[in-house]
Amino acid sequence: AQKVTQAQTEISVVEKEDVTLDCVYETRDTTYYLFWYKQPPSGELVFLIRRNSFDEQNEISGRYSWNFQKSTSSFNFTITASQVVDSAVYFCALTLNQAGTALIFGKGTTLSVSS
Amino acid sequence: DGGITQSPKYLFRKEGQNVTLSCEQNLNHDAMYWYRQDPGQGLRLIYYSQIVNDFQKGDIAEGYSVSREKKESFPLTVTSAQKNPTAFYLCASKTSTMNYGYTFGSGTRLTVV
Repeated sequence: AQKVTQAQTEISVVEKEDVTLDCVYETRDTTYYLFWYKQPPSGELVFLIRRNSFDEQNEISGRYSWNFQKSTSSFNFTITASQVVDSAVYFCALTLNQAGTALIFGKGTTLSVSS
Repeated sequence: DGGITQSPKYLFRKEGQNVTLSCEQNLNHDAMYWYRQDPGQGLRLIYYSQIVNDFQKGDIAEGYSVSREKKESFPLTVTSAQKNPTAFYLCASKTSTMNYGYTFGSGTRLTVV
């Protein structure tokens, strides 16, 4: 069975601080995809990134960066110089590369950035 | 523009009444999914459907029912058997050719009083 764990329930930072959101996953399959989504107060899910299990290259997109380490089954997300607009719930998710499977989500981390 | 439409955004019902949440997509996606979100619980899978006239239970299917009579539509009925129906419900879809291309609706917030 697959599982995603986001151990940090809530994080509070002050603007311009860097913050890292942790994600640990479990699967016995060798081919899978990992995702991060942002959920602002309006409720819709905003797709941030997708990673397949064969691509461990870290990625940077503006103030966002992701660190994927298969050795520790982790896919951590760092926001550099956080801003108030980054305040949201962030979800890590996992799906297998096979038909008939669904996205499995972690419980989410609520990030609050104050000015 | 292609996408998923969930309506209404807010829904209120009296306890004991069944209620149906709408989910329509014009993306020509084969698979559709229903998730429930409670504070601190993440998104939990209720039901999913890979093709028309077929669907499978997810992790928390009790008290819910679905139908998939058309490819575009995957309505979710919250029955009176669901003990705590108040939640935020999200619908998603995915093409069968890519096992990672999920699209989400904007959600329906159901409140049962």
